Amino acid sequence: GESVGLHLPTLSVQEGDNSIINCAYSNSASDYFIWYKQESGKGPQFIIDIRSNMDKRQGQRVTVLLNKTVKHLSLQIAATQPGDSAVYFCAETPGNQFYFGTGTSLTVIP
Amino acid sequence: DAGVIQSPRHEVTEMGQEVTLRCKPISGHNSLFWYRQTMMRGLELLIYFNNNVPIDDSGMPEDRFSAKMPNASFSTLKIQPSEPRDSAVYFCASSLSRGEKLFFGSGTQLSVL
Repeated sequence: GESVGLHLPTLSVQEGDNSIINCAYSNSASDYFIWYKQESGKGPQFIIDIRSNMDKRQGQRVTVLLNKTVKHLSLQIAATQPGDSAVYFCAETPGNQFYFGTGTSLTVIP
Repeated sequence: DAGVIQSPRHEVTEMGQEVTLRCKPISGHNSLFWYRQTMMRGLELLIYFNNNVPIDDSGMPEDRFSAKMPNASFSTLKIQPSEPRDSAVYFCASSLSRGEKLFFGSGTQLSVL
């Protein structure tokens, strides 16, 4: 029979362009959010985090935006590079355990 | 810091056999988490410990799964007996405390034939 699995959203971008990956979270009580990057054969790797008292946080080439009104999180990657190709997960927590999204697969076209 | 260390990296076993996965959290981290990742379900939390005490094991699929944390630097996840549907990548993660960012190990790729 046909196998059913998670349908991973995919995003393809040209090298050098900016990438935006979106995430909708569900728990209004969540007050801490993290973006993780997972490369093939590796564990998720921390990229950037943001607490609910902020709406924007910047790192090196990455920016996270938080809109608590619509429960939306986004990750912006500037000047996307081939090494950025991976699956990106958002994670939320109300203070005990983390809840992970299904992930977005980013492919960077050289 | 060596990060979270998991062993083995790959495990191939036959249905019915016992499987033990091991994890060494980052030194000083008080919370430890076991996750399972599959294409069907993504990342699922199986169980987590705080100060070596199991806090929430509601994600453990069934009685065939058990986890222990005998001390702050070691945890095991055991499957007995294993079944083909247990095939997945199992990740261990640790954090300084509950609700703080997780640091993941490289995972154990389990294949049950």
